[in-house]
Amino acid sequence: AQKVTQAQTEISVVEKEDVTLDCVYETRDTTYYLFWYKQPPSGELVFLIRRNSFDEQNEISGRYSWNFQKSTSSFNFTITASQVVDSAVYFCALMGNTGGFKTIFGAGTRLFVKA
Amino acid sequence: DAGVIQSPRHEVTEMGQEVTLRCKPISGHDYLFWYRQTMMRGLELLIYFNNNVPIDDSGMPEDRFSAKMPNASFSTLKIQPSEPRDSAVYFCASSIGTGLNEQFFGPGTRLTVL
Repeated sequence: AQKVTQAQTEISVVEKEDVTLDCVYETRDTTYYLFWYKQPPSGELVFLIRRNSFDEQNEISGRYSWNFQKSTSSFNFTITASQVVDSAVYFCALMGNTGGFKTIFGAGTRLFVKA
Repeated sequence: DAGVIQSPRHEVTEMGQEVTLRCKPISGHDYLFWYRQTMMRGLELLIYFNNNVPIDDSGMPEDRFSAKMPNASFSTLKIQPSEPRDSAVYFCASSIGTGLNEQFFGPGTRLTVL
């Protein structure tokens, strides 16, 4: 069975703080894909990143960075120098190669960034 | 370029009524996904289509739910009869190329069944 766990339900930080959102996944597939999506207050989900299981390189995009570690089945997301506009719910998701294109989402982490 | 379009944005209906949710994917996208989001169950994939053909409907909760994609630019999700526990936000998403690529989500339809 595939599973995505986002243990942090809510995080509250002050603007300019760094914040890390945790994601732990379970899968028996040897090939799989991990995603992060952002859901701002407007409600739409916005794609942030996709990483496949063979690529453990960390990635940085502006203030966003992702740390993928297969050894601990984790795919954590860090926002550096957070801003109020980062306030949203963030979802980690998993798609395994034996499940077709069925994406399993974590429960989400609600991030509040206070000015 | 227009994103994924969903209608209606809000729907309030009474238990037992038929509800039809509509989705127009991004032009050229060949995968279409229907999701449901609730506080209790989070985001769940209900069904997805590839080139208008349903590929996996294992997430459809009951026979009361049905989805169709008569052409590449239109899909419907129907609930008949609706029940209060169907109250949720329903999202449609589309992607291009393979189902592995990023999914573009619509704004969602907030359904309330009284």
